[in-house]
Amino acid sequence: QSALTQPASVSGSPGQSITISCTGTSSDVGGYNYVSWYQQHPGKAPKLMIYDVSKWPSGVSTRFSGSKSGNTASLTISGLQAEDEADYYCISYTTSYTWVFGGGTKLTVL
Amino acid sequence: QVQLQESGPGLVKPSETLSLSCAVSGGSISSFWWTWIRQAPGKGLEWIGYISNTATTTYNPSLKSRVIILVDTSKNQVSLRLGSMTAADTAVYYCARYYSRGFDYWGQGTLVTVSS
Repeated sequence: QSALTQPASVSGSPGQSITISCTGTSSDVGGYNYVSWYQQHPGKAPKLMIYDVSKWPSGVSTRFSGSKSGNTASLTISGLQAEDEADYYCISYTTSYTWVFGGGTKLTVL
Repeated sequence: QVQLQESGPGLVKPSETLSLSCAVSGGSISSFWWTWIRQAPGKGLEWIGYISNTATTTYNPSLKSRVIILVDTSKNQVSLRLGSMTAADTAVYYCARYYSRGFDYWGQGTLVTVSS
């Protein structure tokens, strides 16, 4: 299974919105609504931000939102804040009953 | 509050088998699925596999021949065994709870270095 494709980096200014894409195939992203997103600060464990494409776990800010179109899922962060600067990873369920991560995206808040 | 704590050797020799444990507190281990995920230094996350609440396992195809995930309900622990270790297996290894198609609780991770 090949890793999902994410941009290596994105950036935005405080208050702006940014979107991170996660592109797979019909065997993973396109085949199921089982995409989740994780935020990881340096030296820390990842944190679940979105699951099932667009659902929020308890306690996660609604500034984070998810969507999907075809084989591409997206994470949008609105009202960008300094503490949003982190690495973001998507992961999708696959037709092989396994999970595959994206390569990760580094978000810089300017 | 569910808490997970990984433990194991920080250094493993090439060709040896890695054994890690993940102690789960704050909830019953037998009611949930549990996963292992790793991250090589400076690299992205890699899903290793998971074990269901009925002890059914599913593994990453790239690691399937070398990996075993087990649950010990008497100790409330999840374990990972990875054989034939090489330098490419040097990584931080995380255990996490799989729930509702997301990995919602994570341990802090444990660094394993493969070196002679």
